[in-house]
Amino acid sequence: ILNVEQSPQSLHVQEGDSTNFTCSFPSSNFYALHWYRWETAKSPEALFVMTLNGDEKKKGRISATLNTKEGYSYLYIKGSQPEDSATYLCASVEGQGFSFIFGKGTRLLVKP
Amino acid sequence: DAGVIQSPRHEVTEMGQEVTLRCKPISGHDYLFWYRQTMMRGLELLIYFNNNVPIDDSGMPEDRFSAKMPNASFSTLKIQPSEPRDSAVYFCASRVRGPNSPLHFGNGTRLTVT
Repeated sequence: ILNVEQSPQSLHVQEGDSTNFTCSFPSSNFYALHWYRWETAKSPEALFVMTLNGDEKKKGRISATLNTKEGYSYLYIKGSQPEDSATYLCASVEGQGFSFIFGKGTRLLVKP
Repeated sequence: DAGVIQSPRHEVTEMGQEVTLRCKPISGHDYLFWYRQTMMRGLELLIYFNNNVPIDDSGMPEDRFSAKMPNASFSTLKIQPSEPRDSAVYFCASRVRGPNSPLHFGNGTRLTVT
């Protein structure tokens, strides 16, 4: 069983601050790494799917990197806005790509 | 596309009663997943199906839980008998095959067992 760890557990920042979170995962049997954004009272929505070591993905002010050899991924938010407030989940996908193991998420609160 | 549709949105029931949660995946998605969300454990995989066939049910807590997928457009998760510790939000998700294919989640069913 994989153990996916996310840190920090929660984060409070001021509007305009840049921030980043970490997702650690066992690097053996790696298939893919997913990031999801989960707003309160909604369902998780996919942000990025990364499969290759060294992958970097970007969507607006949010970007992510992947290191499969050491088993970590970073999510960066540049110039945080209140609407970025959400829980950010990562999921490690192993084997043939059918088993998703989620971390417990990083809860971000951006204060105006 | 309407996305993954779950029903009901909320369910309140008494201990010992049978509970059935329903899910309609996105058309054309050949994988369907049931997850349970709790504060203590986060998102836990309960079971997933491929082309309507259960592939891995090792996450199903115990015999009180069962899941079926009679066709490509419908799945159920049943708890019988329900217990207070089953109270959680249950999510259904679907995806297509492929390394870059993300999960598409439904809005979840919030179950409260009193």
